[in-house]
Amino acid sequence: QKEVEQDPGPLSVPEGAIVSLNCTYSNSAFQYFMWYRQYSRKGPELLMYTYSSGNKEDGRFTAQVDKSSKYISLFIRDSQPSDSATYLCAMRKNSGNTPLVFGKGTRLSVIA
Amino acid sequence: GAVVSQHPSRVICKSGTSVKIECRSLDFQATTMFWYRQFPKQSLMLMATSNEGSKATYEQGVEKDKFLINHASLTLSTLTVTSAHPEDSSFYICSAAGERGANVLTFGAGSRLTVL
Repeated sequence: QKEVEQDPGPLSVPEGAIVSLNCTYSNSAFQYFMWYRQYSRKGPELLMYTYSSGNKEDGRFTAQVDKSSKYISLFIRDSQPSDSATYLCAMRKNSGNTPLVFGKGTRLSVIA
Repeated sequence: GAVVSQHPSRVICKSGTSVKIECRSLDFQATTMFWYRQFPKQSLMLMATSNEGSKATYEQGVEKDKFLINHASLTLSTLTVTSAHPEDSSFYICSAAGERGANVLTFGAGSRLTVL
């Protein structure tokens, strides 16, 4: 079993839809959870960062972490064509100089 | 915010040659840089972790003699792909801890290497 599982999609939704992206993980030591957006042939761009369990909202984006279920989600409200990208979940065990472990990424297309 | 400058963004080279990729932290000191590799439609796979002034730590299966990492200063880390072969063609991305403390990593824009 991989440490982080993420459905690669592709996921296609109409403009204005609510998008739900998810990841599961197996290592209970993960404490820091992030969502990155990656456009084609570009480096990942940080969208959301959450420490431990809970919800975090930033504009149209909401991140949820349920450590008891080892499950994290990213919700995108009122999706726009410009949201079309690959979304990667990532997590790490400690702060400081520890690397991120990434999911495979979900390719999202928002159709106008 | 924290910025990591990575170049070249794209490089094409002949098989057997060496290619150097640079990553610079522009407005913060990066004591640690992480180097990732990403194949098409795949996730980012950690190759190595480099700490300023010391030898890099490589992940299992990554050849340290092929992928030379140098982190000589707090703002510069380099990855050299030696004797490149077509199977080394990939997207290489560096990352470093951002200015919000060490909890968030900032990524470079990536370097696409094509070996002919």
